[in-house]
Amino acid sequence: AQSVTQLDSQVPVFEEAPVELRCNYSSSVSVYLFWYVQYPNQGLQLLLKYLSGSTLVKGINGFEAEFNKSQTSFHLRKPSVHISDTAEYFCAVSEVRTSYDKVIFGPGTSLSVIP
Amino acid sequence: SQTIHQWPATLVQPVGSPLSLECTVEGTSNPNLYWYRQAAGRGLQLLFYSVGIGQISSEVPQNLSASRPQDRQFILSSKKLLLSDSGFYLCACTGRGGTEAFFGQGTRLTVV
Repeated sequence: AQSVTQLDSQVPVFEEAPVELRCNYSSSVSVYLFWYVQYPNQGLQLLLKYLSGSTLVKGINGFEAEFNKSQTSFHLRKPSVHISDTAEYFCAVSEVRTSYDKVIFGPGTSLSVIP
Repeated sequence: SQTIHQWPATLVQPVGSPLSLECTVEGTSNPNLYWYRQAAGRGLQLLFYSVGIGQISSEVPQNLSASRPQDRQFILSSKKLLLSDSGFYLCACTGRGGTEAFFGQGTRLTVV
């Protein structure tokens, strides 16, 4: 069964500094990968996704992520963060299947942007 | 794209009372549907998923149950709530073939 690890539970970073949120996964088959953002008391919003093709994926709000199959990683990056980026970030994986696509989430990383 | 309607937004219920949370989906047919629970300061725990009407799979043993009476309706229930059932409940759906999950706005349940 697939699983997702986000090693950093909390990441504080100063405004306008770069940030990287780490995500590693395990699966015995090919996967699709996602990053979601959650603002307080709201549902999750998709930031970006990797289905196939280029391993560098660009998403909304200036975020990007790179799929590394050999390291089974999908780290999220932003070159310059803003106060409004303060939120919870979830990495997720879905195994490539023909029947259904159950999405499994990591435990989340809380990003705090310090002014 | 899909839209998930989930209600109520907040709910305070006494221990031992019943629960019914409803989720409906617009903009797609035959979706896969999911109920997640998010405890305070923790990640999302998959509770149930459904690939079709009347087809429910439970991920973890618990005090809750789920039903899917219609293609785009997913209900989370309990006969008697426990304090440990408190949390933020999220309904989600996915299409076929590796598309992303779309989420409702969540229900904040507090059992007192």
